[in-house]
Amino acid sequence: KNQVEQSPQSLIILEGKNCTLQCNYTVSPFSNLRWYKQDTGRGPVSLTIMTFSENTKSNGRYTATLDADTKQSSLHITASQLSDSASYICVVRSGNTPLVFGKGTRLSVIA
Amino acid sequence: NAGVTQTPKFQVLKTGQSMTLQCAQDMNHNSMYWYRQDPGMGLRLIYYSASEGTTDKGEVPNGYNVSRLNKREFSLRLESAAPSQTSVYFCASGEGYDPHPTLFFGPGTRLTVL
Repeated sequence: KNQVEQSPQSLIILEGKNCTLQCNYTVSPFSNLRWYKQDTGRGPVSLTIMTFSENTKSNGRYTATLDADTKQSSLHITASQLSDSASYICVVRSGNTPLVFGKGTRLSVIA
Repeated sequence: NAGVTQTPKFQVLKTGQSMTLQCAQDMNHNSMYWYRQDPGMGLRLIYYSASEGTTDKGEVPNGYNVSRLNKREFSLRLESAAPSQTSVYFCASGEGYDPHPTLFFGPGTRLTVL
C-alpha cells in the first residue's frame, strides 16, 4: 500500500534556530515529491517539488532533499521565523494515481 | 487574481440535511479536485475533474456528488449529511497536462454535522 510517513508529529523550536522534518514513503512507482506548508485555517501551499533525478532543492530558507534509493526526503528550515509556524505536509505522486499525503508535521516557532 | 475561492467558509448541518459547497478558480486550470482533511489523517481525495465535462471518483466518494459546471467552477454536494462527514473540505486546481502539476488550494470549508 502506498504510504507517506512524516516525523516528528510536532516540533517546537526557538526563533532563529534550524530544524529538519522527515518524510519516508513507500509509494511506487515514484513520480515526484512535494512539500506543502499549511498555515492554520488556510489551504496548503507548495514550497518545493523534487523529481527522481534531484537530490537537493532550495527555496529561500527552505531546503529539501531526496534520496530515491532509501525513499526518504527531508525539509530543512534555516534561521526559523515566527511565520514558519505551520504544518508541513509531504505529498508523493505515483503515476496517475491519487496523490498520497502525509499527516504532516506541526511546527511551532516561539520567541 | 483570487486563485481558488470556496464558499461557505463555515457550515453547521443537522444529520440528513443537504448542502452544496462551491468552488471557483481563475487560473484557467483544466483539473479541479475536492479533498477532505480530518484530524490525524492526510488529505484524502473525494472527487476530481480532469477537464471540463468529466468527473471521477477519488478515494472516499461515498455520500458525495460533484458537478463541473464549467472550466472555472466545481461544486461538491452532500445529499444527506452524516456526522462522519464533519471535516474540513478543500478544493484545489492544477494544470492536468503538466507532468508535475502544482495544486493550488482554496481556504477550505469547515463543516460540522450534528
